[in-house]
Amino acid sequence: DVKVTQSSRYLVKRTGEKVFLECVQDMDHENMFWYRQDPGLGLRLIYFSYDVKMKEKGDIPEGYSVSREKKERFSLILESASTNQTSMYLCASSTRQGIQFFGPGTRLTVL
Amino acid sequence: DQQVKQNSPSLSVQEGRISILNCDYTNSMFDYFLWYKKYPAEGPTFLISISSIKDKNEDGRFTVFLNKSAKHLSLHIVPSQPGDSAVYFCAPMNYGGSQGNLIFGKGTKLSVKP
Repeated sequence: DVKVTQSSRYLVKRTGEKVFLECVQDMDHENMFWYRQDPGLGLRLIYFSYDVKMKEKGDIPEGYSVSREKKERFSLILESASTNQTSMYLCASSTRQGIQFFGPGTRLTVL
Repeated sequence: DQQVKQNSPSLSVQEGRISILNCDYTNSMFDYFLWYKKYPAEGPTFLISISSIKDKNEDGRFTVFLNKSAKHLSLHIVPSQPGDSAVYFCAPMNYGGSQGNLIFGKGTKLSVKP
């Protein structure tokens, strides 16, 4: 079974803090993705990576950065958290052009 | 512009009846279509897919129909069960031309009442 894990299920941070969200997959997948889900807006792609040290901007990259130093790990970084970044963050992985498998999500609240 | 539209934000169905969830797309390069199901506070899980070379794919109670000329697909759930209550996302991709990116619709929240 594919397993995608995310470092926290719930996180509360203050405005201006630096936030790290970690995602690990155990299936040797090439692709990894970060989305955010907001009511009425569906899933919006923030960043994705198709190889170690490679990254591509998605639809809403502003205010975020990512890091992929190892194939199994993809980190999302909020350099200076703001209240409009309160959201559910979802990580996914896939083989090249394969089905994406998602982690359980991190509910981030920025106060 | 939205490439993928799920025009019904919500749908309520009686247990045992058929649920029909619709999805329209604009990009004619899409050739592989996936449906995901999402429960609250969980990540989406893959449900069923269909390639553009087919017009129907069935898996148990779930059937997906594709009408390429109309750029429309639908997910049928028969019979609907209370455990099917979730948000359903349509997610197509350009299989040959992309690196694996899916374009997600905004989702339809299905409620199946006992």
